[in-house]
Amino acid sequence: GENVEQHPSTLSVQEGDSAVIKCTYSDSASNYFPWYKQELGKRPQLIIDIRSNVGEKKDQRIAVTLNKTAKHFSLHITETQPEDSAVYFCAAHSRGGSYIPTFGRGTSLIVHP
Amino acid sequence: DTEVTQTPKHLVMGMTNKKSLKCEQHMGHRAMYWYKQKAKKPPELMFVYSYEKLSINESVPSRFSPECPNSSLLNLHLHALQPEDSALYLCASSQSQGGVTEAFFGQGTRLTVV
Repeated sequence: GENVEQHPSTLSVQEGDSAVIKCTYSDSASNYFPWYKQELGKRPQLIIDIRSNVGEKKDQRIAVTLNKTAKHFSLHITETQPEDSAVYFCAAHSRGGSYIPTFGRGTSLIVHP
Repeated sequence: DTEVTQTPKHLVMGMTNKKSLKCEQHMGHRAMYWYKQKAKKPPELMFVYSYEKLSINESVPSRFSPECPNSSLLNLHLHALQPEDSALYLCASSQSQGGVTEAFFGQGTRLTVV
């Protein structure tokens, strides 16, 4: 089945800095890569996603890049704000997994004011 | 309506109790999911229903019994649970299984087994 590795597990930045979270996946047939943000005690919510036919997607301060050859994708947050503090999960939808998302282990992002 | 609604929000139950978790969505989604999430861990898939039929059971113990009465509702019946089953139980839905679309999550039920 699909295996998704996510790094780092914890990321601490100063307000205004950029943050980058990286994920790799194992199934070359994976075709959809969502990123979820989960604040303490709340539900995971989609913040951005990318499909396998696209290399990069941007939405205001958030961007995701996908390298299909290397099987990795990354989340980039610019001009971080304290409200960006949360746990971020990457996921990959793979054919081997019946296109059910396989989640990475999560990154706890802490933005210091 | 882009909400997945779960009830109850919190549940404390003894090891001999029987209880049920409920999930509802009115987005016309035909795939619904149960996940279990422990603290500081990613959601762990338990069951998937596609068009009201159970399509995936991730080797979940029989003390967890899912039910999909119709396309909008998903239940999880609990019986004889163990303390290690204490976790956040998340319901999610998506347009269909196998699609390249996001899963919408409910707020979850925080379950404590005593």
